[in-house]
Amino acid sequence: DAKTTQPPSMDCAEGRAANLPCNHSTISGNEYVYWYRQIHSQGPQYIIHGLKNNETNEMASLIITEDRKSSTLILPHATLRDTAVYYCIVRVANQGGKLIFGQGTELSVKP
Amino acid sequence: DGGITQSPKYLFRKEGQNVTLSCEQNLNHDAMYWYRQDPGQGLRLIYYSQIVNDFQKGDIAEGYSVSREKKESFPLTVTSAQKNPTAFYLCASSNEKGSSMVYEQYFGPGTRLTVT
Repeated sequence: DAKTTQPPSMDCAEGRAANLPCNHSTISGNEYVYWYRQIHSQGPQYIIHGLKNNETNEMASLIITEDRKSSTLILPHATLRDTAVYYCIVRVANQGGKLIFGQGTELSVKP
Repeated sequence: DGGITQSPKYLFRKEGQNVTLSCEQNLNHDAMYWYRQDPGQGLRLIYYSQIVNDFQKGDIAEGYSVSREKKESFPLTVTSAQKNPTAFYLCASSNEKGSSMVYEQYFGPGTRLTVT
């Protein structure tokens, strides 16, 4: 699985958009980009995934660059409850379900 | 409600004792996983199972054992051979069946094990 690089921490003002970057320069053509988040002392929660097209759901938007070497998770209107560690993961779809979690980005949403 | 349950939330044991962590899911998922998380770190895969009566070692299986006798249950035993058992243990399940489709993993609330 390709390695990902994320900033260790970010701050965001409540109500503003939170843009979380992820670099995955060694991503292969059949690897998907997944985003999960983990609120303190809870299990991780799936947010969104994509292959090469931008994706949007009720939680967030995922923007993947044309060369697929990086992506950005966008929380359009961050709330205090979005404070969590956000993990960017890349993996092949059919690989026994293994997810490789790095250090993630600790997002602090401030009032 | 459908979901994954782990019990207990907190568990305390003396060194040298085996302990079994429970994980149950009613999502009808075929695949189940056990991860370990240490403070300030990401999750690491211990064991996973894609079908009943079958399971594979993950990256850090030493000192752990699992069973998968029922689709909805995947208990993890932390044995006395595990040198640093104190950690946050997370169970997950997904609907992946070895196809090319993409499925997310659903996680339980976790069990925090402390061994002294």
